[in-house]
Amino acid sequence: RKEVEQDPGPFNVPEGATVAFNCTYSNSASQSFFWYRQDCRKEPKLLMSVYSSGNEDGRFTAQLNRASQYISLLIRDSKLSDSATYLCAVTQGGSARQLTFGSGTQLTVLP
Amino acid sequence: DVKVTQSSRYLVKRTGEKVFLECVQDMDHENMFWYRQDPGLGLRLIYFSYDVKMKEKGDIPEGYSVSREKKERFSLILESASTNQTSMYLCASSLIGRSGETQYFGPGTRLLVL
Repeated sequence: RKEVEQDPGPFNVPEGATVAFNCTYSNSASQSFFWYRQDCRKEPKLLMSVYSSGNEDGRFTAQLNRASQYISLLIRDSKLSDSATYLCAVTQGGSARQLTFGSGTQLTVLP
Repeated sequence: DVKVTQSSRYLVKRTGEKVFLECVQDMDHENMFWYRQDPGLGLRLIYFSYDVKMKEKGDIPEGYSVSREKKERFSLILESASTNQTSMYLCASSLIGRSGETQYFGPGTRLLVL
C-alpha cells in the first residue's frame, strides 16, 4: 500500500461546479498536511496547509480526518484557472520533516 | 518571496556521462531536498540535507549522490547517467521549525538521457 494515495482522475467539471478530492495516508504519526497545486510542466506550489479544525481560503476548503486518515480539498465555484494537478503531502517525521507526496489528482475545468 | 533556482531547465546527456544538477535557495533555509517526478509515480525523494555537509538518503538514492558545501546550495550528481534516469528533477527547500515543513520548489530540470 502506498503511504499517500490519491485518485489520479482526471476530474472534468464545468465552470462553477463544486469538486472535492480526497487523499489517504497510512502513517498515523503524520502531523502536518498540505495541498500543493502543480500546473502543467511547472513546479508544485503550496496551495494551503491543512489544520485539524479545517480551514478555508476563499473558494478552497481543506479538512483533516485523523480517525480515517484522510485529508480533503473542496473547490467551490470552479474557475478555468483552477485546472491543474493537485498534490497532497504529509510529513513523515525525521530530521528534516520530509514530506511524502501523493501522485496527484488532475482537474480540468471546462467552459 | 522564497526563491529556489535550478541551474538548467532542460538538459540532454548521453548514457555514462556524469551529470551535475545545481540548486540554490536565497532564504537561508536549513533543509534542502531533491526529488524526481515521473508520470504516474508522483514525486519521489532522492536525497535530502538538513545542514551543511549533512545528507540523508531518501526513498530512491541508488545511482545518485549529493553535495552540500554551502547552506544555500545543494547539488545532485548522477555519477554515470542511465536512460532510466530520464525524468523531471525538482529541488526544494524548507525551514526548520514549527512551520518548517512547507517546502518551496525550484522550476525543475527536465533531463533526457540518450
